[in-house]
Order: sequence, then C-alpha cells, then structure tokens
Amino acid sequence: GAVVSQHPSRVICKSGTSVKIECRSLDFQATTMFWYRQFPKQSLMLMATSNEGSKATYEQGVEKDKFLINHASLTLSTLTVTSAHPEDSSFYICSARGLLGGGYEQYFGPGTRLTVT
Amino acid sequence: AQTVTQSQPEMSVQEAETVTLSCTYDTSESDYYLFWYKQPPSRQMILVIRQEAYKQQNATENRFSVNFQKAAKSFSLKISDSQLGDAAMYFCAYRSSGNTPLVFGKGTRLSVIA
Repeated sequence: GAVVSQHPSRVICKSGTSVKIECRSLDFQATTMFWYRQFPKQSLMLMATSNEGSKATYEQGVEKDKFLINHASLTLSTLTVTSAHPEDSSFYICSARGLLGGGYEQYFGPGTRLTVT
Repeated sequence: AQTVTQSQPEMSVQEAETVTLSCTYDTSESDYYLFWYKQPPSRQMILVIRQEAYKQQNATENRFSVNFQKAAKSFSLKISDSQLGDAAMYFCAYRSSGNTPLVFGKGTRLSVIA
C-alpha cells in the first residue's frame, strides 16, 4: 500500500512554545488530509480536514487559531500547535487520501507523540 | 450524523481459535463504506478489511472476514485461526460516499492467549 510519513515521531516542548508536525504522502498525491488526536486508550478524534490549496475545515470544539493546519501541496500537510500547554500533550495522527488503483484510498501516518512540559 | 458503536471494549481469544468483534452503525444514507482498522502497540493504523455498502457479498481477506447485515446496520469482524500478532485495538469505521472523513467507533482491545 501507499506510505504516509510523519515527522517528528516524538517531540517534547516547553509550555508556551509552538511545534510543527509534518505529514507527507510519499508515493501518491493526497487531495485530502485529515488530522486526528488520540488520547490513551481512546479512539481517534477528528480535528480537521484539509484539501490542497484550501483552508482547513475544523471540527466543533477544535481551536483553529491554536491548531494551524496548512496543506500547501499535494504531498505535504503540516499541523502547528501554537502556544502549547500540557493539556495539548497527546498522540497526533495524520491521514492522507488520494486516487489510487481506480478509487480513493486513505492511509495513515505512524503518528506523533507530543509532550508539553 | 453517523455514529459507530463497538459494544465490546475488550475481547480475548485463544491462539488458533476464532473470535468475532461486533460493530453497529447508524446512518440514513444508502451508499457508504465500512472498514475495520487494527492499531497494534506501535499505534500505526492498519486497514484490515473494507466493505462497500452496495455489495451484498461479505468481504474477506485471508483469515479476516466480515458479516455485513445492511438492514440491521451491523458489520462484525471474524478473525479465524487467531495469532499472537492479532493482538491489538480494532476500530470499526464508517465513511459516506464522497470525500468525507472516517467516523470511528471506540474500539475493541483484542488479547490473544497463547
């Protein structure tokens, strides 16, 4: 299957700083990318959906000024957590959807563990 | 809004035995897709199997098969000949037709006993 990478896999940052997470589709063009947040032993919670070249659509309750999403190209989307606080500590997963094998398929990145101290 | 319900937070199975994970969903749409994803301790989401709602035939992938009951809005996953590597969280997911996000259930943690 297609590959989606995320960088970094782990990051520790201090409270009040910003951190950027990159999500790349390595061998296909991702027309849409999704960002999820997962707390321990819980399901994936959709944060936002982004289409290449358009502004992201955020789910209710997700602060768009805090979680900045950019989808500038068909292979790259970034999530920037601004002015991070300890409660932002979580596992963030991106997912990319593109036209593969005659249909739209969706693949997940390996996730990024963010710890805010 | 669509919802996905997994009523079994945890399940266990003996190695080489068969286990069935339950999933129900609620939708008013007629065209949609259903998925089972596996999330091992590495937390990488892995697609196990998918089912298009318009297909009456149940999807199968090697040891994994589904029982898709459209009228009952039920989509269970059967794992045959369970292996230690099958131990993971399993998420049932729904997607409408078109470019819409996946809606996940809360997951079922499967343990495989040697």
